Amino acid sequence: QKEVEQNSGPLSVPEGAIASLNCTYSDRGSQSFFWYRQYSGKSPELIMSIYSNGDKEDGRFTAQLNKASQYVSLLIRDSQPSDSATYLCAVTGGGNKLTFGTGTQLKVEL
Amino acid sequence: EAEVAQSPRYKITEKSQAVAFWCDPISGHATLYWYRQILGQGPELLVQFQDESVVDDSQLPKDRFSAERLKGVDSTLKIQPAELGDSAMYLCASSPGTGVLEQFFGPGTRLTVL
Repeated sequence: QKEVEQNSGPLSVPEGAIASLNCTYSDRGSQSFFWYRQYSGKSPELIMSIYSNGDKEDGRFTAQLNKASQYVSLLIRDSQPSDSATYLCAVTGGGNKLTFGTGTQLKVEL
Repeated sequence: EAEVAQSPRYKITEKSQAVAFWCDPISGHATLYWYRQILGQGPELLVQFQDESVVDDSQLPKDRFSAERLKGVDSTLKIQPAELGDSAMYLCASSPGTGVLEQFFGPGTRLTVL
């Protein structure tokens, strides 16, 4: 079992819709959770961090964390073509080591 | 805006040659990370520095890879000799450290080994 699992996609949503990206993790001791956006050929860009159960909102982005279910998600409201990218989920384990999933490719269609 | 700097951005080399990558973290960031990202996968940690000390190099192939951060600021990652399987994006990231966990990535170095 992979430590951090994401559906590779592609996830296609129409412009203006809500995109929902999901991630599960195996280490129950994980404390910190991050979402990075990565455009093709570019480096990852941090867009959200979440540390406690519940929702955290930042502009059009909402991160949701459920530690009991070992599940973290990212919602993107009013999706734009510029949101088309790969979204990486990252989780800290022992020693604050960051473990990444393989990413979900999001395509926002006009 | 403070950014992590990396050079070169692209490197093409032949197998068995030596290559080196340089990283300058965001000013004041105590923790520096080197990652390798193979196409279609997430970044994988190679080495983590806290100031000039190595905190984690468990995934660094030490027979051919070396990393240093002599003065606790910028860092160099070296591969000698390079192998075909080393073709990947090499990413440097930094974080303030001391409980702040967000990591910020540089633009990366795309390595192609022929």
